[in-house]
Amino acid sequence: GQNIDQPTEMTATEGAIVQINCTYQTSGFNGLFWYQQHAGEAPTFLSYNVLDGLEEKGRFSSFLSRSKGYSYLLLKELQMKDSASYLCAGMDSNYQLIWGAGTKLIIKP
Amino acid sequence: TAGITQAPTSQILAAGRSMTLRCTQDMRHNAMYWYRQDLGLGLRLIHYSNTAGTTGKGEVPDGYSVSRANTDDFPLTLASAVPSQTSVYFCASSDGDNSPLHFGNGTRLTVT
Repeated sequence: GQNIDQPTEMTATEGAIVQINCTYQTSGFNGLFWYQQHAGEAPTFLSYNVLDGLEEKGRFSSFLSRSKGYSYLLLKELQMKDSASYLCAGMDSNYQLIWGAGTKLIIKP
Repeated sequence: TAGITQAPTSQILAAGRSMTLRCTQDMRHNAMYWYRQDLGLGLRLIHYSNTAGTTGKGEVPDGYSVSRANTDDFPLTLASAVPSQTSVYFCASSDGDNSPLHFGNGTRLTVT
């Protein structure tokens, strides 16, 4: 079956770095997406990886290892506004997205 | 600003009643989707449309129907609501197979 696993909740301190992990099993693979979702709001796109390696976008970076079925989202210099849920989604061979349940990130001052 | 508009924002609906959730986009995206989001679960696809005039079933289509008469509009209808359809419903669109999804602000539906 197809599955996405990510931690339910993480806590980090303002100014620090946090890594949110995601493992995936999909029928075929057409990329891995990360979305941010603030409470009561819509998900918004953060990153897309289809090749192995690290993609950096400002304070946020995303990593992919296709051989391990593994991705992580790295958030640096954490700010209070980064408190949100982070959704990992894998795209299968039919270009359908398989979604994880999301990781709720709590930032403490 | 351009994007996706969903209506209503929230609704309380008696079981057995019907309701249509509206979704309109102005980005001229071909693909549109309806998801439901429930606590502790990932987003689950209800129905999708790859282009105007075509629709397909997602992971949880039972009890829901959609239509795609034109590029911009993708309404979701609940013919006879049941309490298990209490959820937050998101409409989304995308520009192509590997393109990111753009989401509407969601409709919070409570079926009593």
